Amino acid sequence: GESVGLHLPTLSVQEGDNSIINCAYSNSASDYFIWYKQESGKGPQFIIDIRSNMDKRQGQRVTVLLNKTVKHLSLQIAATQPGDSAVYFCAETLASNTGKLIFGQGTTLQVKP
Amino acid sequence: NAGVMQNPRHLVRRRGQEARLRCSPMKGHSHVYWYRQLPEEGLKFMVYLQKENIIDESGMPKERFSAEFPKEGPSILRIQQVVRGDSAAYFCASFDRDSPLHFGNGTRLTVT
Repeated sequence: GESVGLHLPTLSVQEGDNSIINCAYSNSASDYFIWYKQESGKGPQFIIDIRSNMDKRQGQRVTVLLNKTVKHLSLQIAATQPGDSAVYFCAETLASNTGKLIFGQGTTLQVKP
Repeated sequence: NAGVMQNPRHLVRRRGQEARLRCSPMKGHSHVYWYRQLPEEGLKFMVYLQKENIIDESGMPKERFSAEFPKEGPSILRIQQVVRGDSAAYFCASFDRDSPLHFGNGTRLTVT
């Protein structure tokens, strides 16, 4: 079936280091991908998105890479801060229906001071 | 501009009771989605509504669950005769053209 998965359930990094969170997706028809951050007790918060006609997109301290050949998505966070500690989800969908998302299981990012 | 507002934040129901979850989308947004999140899992799509219309309910359980988004007022997710397996966080999200999906902070339903 269609699913979006993450390679690691928990990632622990030192404050100031760069973090890389990976995601594999299975639906080759998906053409729009989003990363969300979810803090405890809150809803998912949009971080960055990318369409399938791009390989890379940069935001403030974050970069998303898309490799369509191997159906792989990654989120890079530069100079990780304690406030980055949260669960990170990748999600896939069709650009024609951007609200109907397929979420992965999530990766917990722990930032050590 | 207020975000997506959900209430209540926490809801406790006994088995067999009804649960009503409310969602007010962001101002100007006419598309509402409901998602469910079980503990330690990602969110799962339930239903997509526009004003007075259910567009896609392919993720809704066939029985006991219903959703509406009336012309006036919030969107309502209704769960009748709740069972323990309904315990989860229910998130509402809204968007409009050219914007990503914005989520509320959810309603955490506990069935005792």
